[in-house]
Amino acid sequence: DMKVTQMPRYLIKRMGENVLLECGQDMSHETMYWYRQDPGLGLQLIYISYDVDSNSEGDIPKGYRVSRKKREHFSLILDSAKTNQTSVYFCASSLLGTDYEQYFGPGTRLTVL
Amino acid sequence: GQQVQQSPASLVLQEGENAELQCNFSTSLNSMQWFYQRPEGSLVSLFYNPSGTKQSGRLTSTTVIKERRSSLHISSSQITDSGTYLCAMERDTGNYKYVFGAGTRLKVIA
Repeated sequence: DMKVTQMPRYLIKRMGENVLLECGQDMSHETMYWYRQDPGLGLQLIYISYDVDSNSEGDIPKGYRVSRKKREHFSLILDSAKTNQTSVYFCASSLLGTDYEQYFGPGTRLTVL
Repeated sequence: GQQVQQSPASLVLQEGENAELQCNFSTSLNSMQWFYQRPEGSLVSLFYNPSGTKQSGRLTSTTVIKERRSSLHISSSQITDSGTYLCAMERDTGNYKYVFGAGTRLKVIA
């Protein structure tokens, strides 16, 4: 069953609190992504991971960090969340390469008050 | 400025009409993808690295990499085609980092 899961689906935090968003996939994909999507905008790449402990910044990495200790799990961490990090966060995975489809998780709606 | 520009920003169709969605890139690109976002928010990949013309059911993607453009043709639109269509480009060879356009919001009405 080809699936990308995200936990939690909804989260409300106060400014300054730490946030952990988790993503899992059951397809043994090497590549995993974290994106955020704000109203009326497309997705913006936060981080990409090419495999365990092989992570690279995307276009908007400031204020975020990631962890990938197992191929099937990719975490996004916000240390001291800010109100402008309120957004919908999507995780995706794919095989490593250009010719492969990205599979997306259902998204996490994060509100930072 | 915007590296990936999509047009139109929104579109309303009568069921059965065809649509042509455009994606233009301001920089050179290695490859591109088309995605569909359902009204409730979930995302699916439609076409990936679609150089030339590729078809899947009622959807046809035509991409000319050297001209930095791609189009998505939807024929005989259905109400269930409603949602947002996003294109994205991989700027540099081999890093698989994609830059997305803002999307075309499509509404198909009866």
